[in-house]
Amino acid sequence: DGGITQSPKYLFRKEGQNVTLSCEQNLNHDAMYWYRQDPGQGLRLIYYSQIVNDFQKGDIAEGYSVSREKKESFPLTVTSAQKNPTAFYLCASSRLARQETQYFGPGTRLLVL
Amino acid sequence: AQSVTQPDIHITVSEGASLELRCNYSYGATPYLFWYVQSPGQGLQLLLKYFSGDTLVQGIKGFEAEFKRSQSSFNLRKPSVHWSDAAEYFCAVGGDNDYKLSFGAGTTVTVRA
Repeated sequence: DGGITQSPKYLFRKEGQNVTLSCEQNLNHDAMYWYRQDPGQGLRLIYYSQIVNDFQKGDIAEGYSVSREKKESFPLTVTSAQKNPTAFYLCASSRLARQETQYFGPGTRLLVL
Repeated sequence: AQSVTQPDIHITVSEGASLELRCNYSYGATPYLFWYVQSPGQGLQLLLKYFSGDTLVQGIKGFEAEFKRSQSSFNLRKPSVHWSDAAEYFCAVGGDNDYKLSFGAGTTVTVRA
């Protein structure tokens, strides 16, 4: 089955800890995205990547980092600099064209202990 | 930069009744418009999209949307709602300059028996 997988489903972070969220896709898409979802605020773009070894900041990149070493993978690290990390994180991918659909993974819920 | 407004935070509708969700966008040129649906704790699924041609777009699950340039709107409709349509619905807009989408804050739909 083609699709996007995210792991873990739930993640707990302690004070001062960095945590990494995994996102893998087997759709052969060039573009990948990370969004943060908070109640009543919709989805906000954290980072996106259109090609391996290149990525751009979205609207709320502070406190987050990413890498794109392989086309299939786009992990997101929530660093200790992110003071309010509790949220639902969604990964998406798409082909590189304006009208192309973004396909979403099932999400990871990050909670702070 | 493009933006989206979904004026209704929450809508309650009776099963079998019609449903209309409002979406207003802001973008200078021809927008690319999307409607996604999200069940609790899940990722987003595309319902339909518009980027050119016929302004009435048919989607999955019996949904349709109409693009009205004069009103900067892309409202989603369904003639007869089923209990399984209870979910959160997001409108999104993309532009010509990049592959990013801007999402509205979402509308939660509750279906009563």
